[in-house]
Amino acid sequence: DGGITQSPKYLFRKEGQNVTLSCEQNLNHDAMYWYRQDPGQGLRLIYYSQIVNDFQKGDIAEGYSVSREKKESFPLTVTSAQKNPTAFYLCASKRDILENTEAFFGQGTRLTVV
Amino acid sequence: AQRVTQPEKLLSVFKGAPVELKCNYSYSGSPELFWYVQYSRQRLQLLLRHISRESIKGFTADLNKGETSFHLKKPFAQEEDSAMYYCALNAGGTSYGKLTFGQGTILTVHP
Repeated sequence: DGGITQSPKYLFRKEGQNVTLSCEQNLNHDAMYWYRQDPGQGLRLIYYSQIVNDFQKGDIAEGYSVSREKKESFPLTVTSAQKNPTAFYLCASKRDILENTEAFFGQGTRLTVV
Repeated sequence: AQRVTQPEKLLSVFKGAPVELKCNYSYSGSPELFWYVQYSRQRLQLLLRHISRESIKGFTADLNKGETSFHLKKPFAQEEDSAMYYCALNAGGTSYGKLTFGQGTILTVHP
């Protein structure tokens, strides 16, 4: 069953702790993305990666870090430096970075800081 | 820097009425624009892309470069159209591959 999988679905974190959100795809896609979804603010881009071992900052990268060691995996770490980490996080992938290819999305991870 | 603006957070219409979801963009290059939709309890998915000039589920969207708009339209709304709609822009140039979304519009179609 091909697709993009995010885990866990719900995640709780204590203030001051780092936490890593998983995103895996078996679509053989080159490009991967992380977004944050907040009510009234839509999807805001955190980081994106065009290819293995390469990634770029999006619009709200502060307090986040990523790695792209494998084509199928693009984990996102929410660090203690992120001032307001409670949010819904979406991962997406595209066949390539080029124009007009469709982005496929995961089911999302809801992170709550307690 | 590219930007996508959807001015309406909420839009309500009655079944059978026409619907238009607005999308404006700012981008210095040639834009590549999309509409994505998220139905209740489902993943965000592609609805249509401007390059295809297609009609999906009765929806169409025309790129107007003069007005920098890519509004989504449907002549007769159906209850199953109720969802969150996002307009998105794929960048080139120095931001090659950056996929930017608008704030989203929640469409509710009443019976």
